[in-house]
Amino acid sequence: QLHLQESGPGLVKPSDTLSLTCTVSGGSISSHIFYWGWVRQPPGKGLEWIGTIYYSGSTYFNPSLRSRVTMSVDPPNNQFSLKLNSVTAADTAVYYCARHDYADGNWFDPWGQGTLVIVSS
Amino acid sequence: QSALTQPPSASGSRGQSVTISCTGTSSDVGSYNYVSWYQQHPGKAPKLLIYEISKRPSGVPDRFSGSKSGSTASLTVSGLQAEDEADYYCTSYAGRNNPVLFGGGTTLTVL
Repeated sequence: QLHLQESGPGLVKPSDTLSLTCTVSGGSISSHIFYWGWVRQPPGKGLEWIGTIYYSGSTYFNPSLRSRVTMSVDPPNNQFSLKLNSVTAADTAVYYCARHDYADGNWFDPWGQGTLVIVSS
Repeated sequence: QSALTQPPSASGSRGQSVTISCTGTSSDVGSYNYVSWYQQHPGKAPKLLIYEISKRPSGVPDRFSGSKSGSTASLTVSGLQAEDEADYYCTSYAGRNNPVLFGGGTTLTVL
């Protein structure tokens, strides 16, 4: 059964870079079918798609975040990562990683449990 | 591009049915059959309920069903149960430049 787990600092200073890693177990990140995505949820608010990456390194980003986001994939370690630079308090959120069926049905399943990142000095 | 529009709240009594709408435009919901729905309980990760408008993943009860008419997609929960009380989000493909649009979410209360 596929399982995803986010990891990274829970506290980031304003103007710094937020860095998170998602470790995939129970399946290969090098799947030719699926992609891998990041979604965030500010406290008490709705979900926002951040971006998606394919095992080859191809990336797709939310236009509103594109200028600040980079994503990478590490197939040998079955991990993919997110970096969001120049963060502000508005980037405080629970960040989820998920498998993304981007090429076909455009759905996310399964999801990691999420990790809360607070932007504060 | 704006998020998809969902009612902030919905409610129904146990055993009844409730329908949650998800309104987009001709550029997203109206043009593609890639609408999915997620259920999120407090403090938990979202769970996929419906994909491609009306398909259910394995393990999702058939009490949950999806449909689409024009630029509005709908999620119907039949035979409401206490555990259906949660937040529900829709998503739609919106083209190559913005592949994933989320709705604002609907909080479902089971009376």
